[in-house]
Amino acid sequence: AQTVTQSQPEMSVQEAETVTLSCTYDTSESDYYLFWYKQPPSRQMILVIRQEAYKQQNATENRFSVNFQKAAKSFSLKISDSQLGDAAMYFCAYRSARSTGTASKLTFGTGTRLQVTL
Amino acid sequence: DTAVSQTPKYLVTQMGNDKSIKCEQNLGHDTMYWYKQDSKKFLKIMFSYNNKELIINETVPNRFSPKSPDKAHLNLHINSLELGDSAVYFCASSLRTSGLSDTQYFGPGTRLTVL
Repeated sequence: AQTVTQSQPEMSVQEAETVTLSCTYDTSESDYYLFWYKQPPSRQMILVIRQEAYKQQNATENRFSVNFQKAAKSFSLKISDSQLGDAAMYFCAYRSARSTGTASKLTFGTGTRLQVTL
Repeated sequence: DTAVSQTPKYLVTQMGNDKSIKCEQNLGHDTMYWYKQDSKKFLKIMFSYNNKELIINETVPNRFSPKSPDKAHLNLHINSLELGDSAVYFCASSLRTSGLSDTQYFGPGTRLTVL
């Protein structure tokens, strides 16, 4: 079974600074997808960024980028130029690339609460 | 315009009652999911349906019964509610069950409180 670990329960960053959230995972599969979801106080789960394991290039979405290290099974999220609206819980998630339906579930980490200060 | 909607958003009820949470998606997706987020914010899959067929049924008490009348709807019925059922329940949908394009999109969640 796959597991996802987020070792930082809480992080804090000053506005306009850069912060990196850590995520490691354990799997015996070679092909899979990784995601970061954001959950602000509104409770809505919002997709931030996604990465295919077969791609060496790190995904980027505006101020959000990942550092994907497949051999180390590490998938960290970097937020540049942090804004007050970035304050939220961030969840790392894993999904198998197998085509069977049971593989479609997301396995989540325990989340990192990000505070953004002035 | 809401892609994945859930009703109700808040549900407060007594132990022993039976309640339902409804989910609808207007994205034309084939696959829908129910996730449970506990008080420590941990999210875990409960069920998944693909084209009205149950494909994932994690270790969930049989007091929980999902029902999919059509592929745009996935409802969750809970019998004999217990204190431990208090959580936020999220519905999600994806186009299919495989492939990166089948990213899961989440509803706003339903906060269930059992007294």
